[in-house]
Amino acid sequence: GQNIDQPTEMTATEGAIVQINCTYQTSGFNGLFWYQQHAGEAPTFLSYNVLDGLEEKGRFSSFLSRSKGYSYLLLKELQMKDSASYLCAYMDSNYQLIWGAGTKLIIKP
Amino acid sequence: DSGVTQTPKHLITATGQRVTLRCSPRSGDLSVYWYQQSLDQGLQFLIQYYNGEERAKGNILERFSAQQFPDLHSELNLSSLELGDSALYFCASSAGVLAGDEQYFGPGTRLTVT
Repeated sequence: GQNIDQPTEMTATEGAIVQINCTYQTSGFNGLFWYQQHAGEAPTFLSYNVLDGLEEKGRFSSFLSRSKGYSYLLLKELQMKDSASYLCAYMDSNYQLIWGAGTKLIIKP
Repeated sequence: DSGVTQTPKHLITATGQRVTLRCSPRSGDLSVYWYQQSLDQGLQFLIQYYNGEERAKGNILERFSAQQFPDLHSELNLSSLELGDSALYFCASSAGVLAGDEQYFGPGTRLTVT
């Protein structure tokens, strides 16, 4: 089956660090994507992980554990502009993206 | 700017009507995807085309149809519109259908059915 889960909403403070988790269950897996979506705008690509481990890109890092069906997006030195929804999606054996419902991140001053 | 264009940006129409949304993928991309996103909801995958052929179908209603033309642009047709069809409709494109092929999203068409 296809199952992916992430928290609905999270709150963090400007300048802090936040970790957004994503868990999935699938029989076929071709990697996991993270996208950022500001309200009313298009999603934009953040990261892609297909091997276990941590990928770092500036203030954003993404981690994958294939054996645990688990990924997280780590955002450091939070800025107000990071207030957005963060979508995780895994690619199944047919190379289709299966999307989570998104995590709305609220940054407070 | 993702390189994916969508027209129109906004569309207001009445229940029972039919509309056509248009998408031009990034130059060189062969795959086009259509998504629906209702207010404060997640992305709902509708349909995918690859090089002119339908490749995958998601939760697309029978009242909706799509096609991809030889020049690779795509159109999504929505008919017998209902109030619940009001949503943002996104088109996305990718180079192909391989692992790691990220999707680039257009700015969306906001459809309001009154």
